[in-house]
Amino acid sequence: QSVPTQPPSASGTPGQKVVISCSGSRSNIGKNNANWYQHLPGTAPKLLIYSDNKRPSGVSDRFSGSKSGTSASLAISGLRFEDEGDYYCGAWDDSLGGPLFGGGTKLTVL
Amino acid sequence: QVQLVQSGGGVAQPGRSLRLSCETSGFDFSTYGMNWVRQAPGKGLEWVAVISRDSTYIVYADSVRGRFTISRDNSKNTVDLQMDSLRPNDTAIYYCAKERQWEMDYWGPGTLVTVS
Repeated sequence: QSVPTQPPSASGTPGQKVVISCSGSRSNIGKNNANWYQHLPGTAPKLLIYSDNKRPSGVSDRFSGSKSGTSASLAISGLRFEDEGDYYCGAWDDSLGGPLFGGGTKLTVL
Repeated sequence: QVQLVQSGGGVAQPGRSLRLSCETSGFDFSTYGMNWVRQAPGKGLEWVAVISRDSTYIVYADSVRGRFTISRDNSKNTVDLQMDSLRPNDTAIYYCAKERQWEMDYWGPGTLVTVS
């Protein structure tokens, strides 16, 4: 199994929209639900998006997810300084028999 | 509300052992799988192990297979990670995480393991 590929960094200014991509394979994102996690400094990771495009209760609608084939994307609109942190895609990998995380994307709000 | 409280961890010499524990509350523990995930210094999240609700399905990452053992006690609502033959590259913050269906919806605060 190969780790889903994410850009190492992304940036934007307050109010802008940022899109983070995640390129997986047929054994993970291509076959199973894509999830997104937010990991802010000094905190535990938080589930942001599950089942490709669903938001858990309490997650702002500024966050949205999509998937096409073996790739998934996380869009963050109305960027805020408190969004600064690391974002990881994840999906169950059938070859691994367990979940696999992307390499992570560090989001900077300028 | 769902709570995951972690204990254990600390400093160990290479080759020694440590045990992590995750005590849960606020949900029906026996109906959900549980995971351990770690983050080494300066690195991203790495999944370590998963255990199904009834312990019949257990899988490990290649990096820890044969050295780490995940277990759970549904009567105590706890999940443990026994870490043997520790290596310096096992140094990381370890998180326990509750599985919903195919995602981890609640995470513990993390506990630091240093192998040196």
